[in-house]
Amino acid sequence: AQSVTQLGSHVSVSEGALVLLRCNYSSSVPPYLFWYVQYPNQGLQLLLKYTSAATLVKGINGFEAEFKKSETSFHLTKPSAHMSDAAEYFCAVSGDSGGSNYKLTFGKGTLLTVNP
Amino acid sequence: DTGVSQDPRHKITKRGQNVTFRCDPISEHNRLYWYRQTLGQGPEFLTYFQNEAQLEKSRLLSDRFSAERPKGSFSTLEIQRTEQGDSAMYLCASSLDGSFGGQPQHFGDGTRLSIL
Repeated sequence: AQSVTQLGSHVSVSEGALVLLRCNYSSSVPPYLFWYVQYPNQGLQLLLKYTSAATLVKGINGFEAEFKKSETSFHLTKPSAHMSDAAEYFCAVSGDSGGSNYKLTFGKGTLLTVNP
Repeated sequence: DTGVSQDPRHKITKRGQNVTFRCDPISEHNRLYWYRQTLGQGPEFLTYFQNEAQLEKSRLLSDRFSAERPKGSFSTLEIQRTEQGDSAMYLCASSLDGSFGGQPQHFGDGTRLSIL
């Protein structure tokens, strides 16, 4: 079975500082990995996805993530935080040996706060 | 591309009442998914459709939950005899078909259900 662990339920950074949100996954087959962002009272917006084409994935709003198979990690980074980045971020995985390539399994989320 | 639309955005009802939520997916997407998100958690997969066929429903939370997609376009999620524990955000997502799990799912803004 697949699972996702997001280390740190709350991350606080200063505006202009590096953002690093951690995600580790468990999957018996090569996974498909996603990062989503959720603003209050809204649905989830796709930031980026990894589907085995390249290990460093660039997404929207200046975010990127690197797939590291040896560490089973897919951490999300942004060089310089902006106030508008304050939101909850979810890492998700899909695709497993059971053929359940349709559903996303999410982590519990990381709330990012950006201080002026 | 008008995005995934969900109606209503908020629903308040008394315990024991039935509720129905509607989801209109992105028009060219033939896959439609329902998730539930409780406070402080990531979304949890409930069920999904490929066109009008419901291909996975074992994760529906109980037999009080049912979903339909009669003509392969919009979908409804019904909860009968609501209970306090049903209070949550119900999210709908849609995607293109794919033989692998890499097709990104696009989410609506959700329906927030509150049980009095």
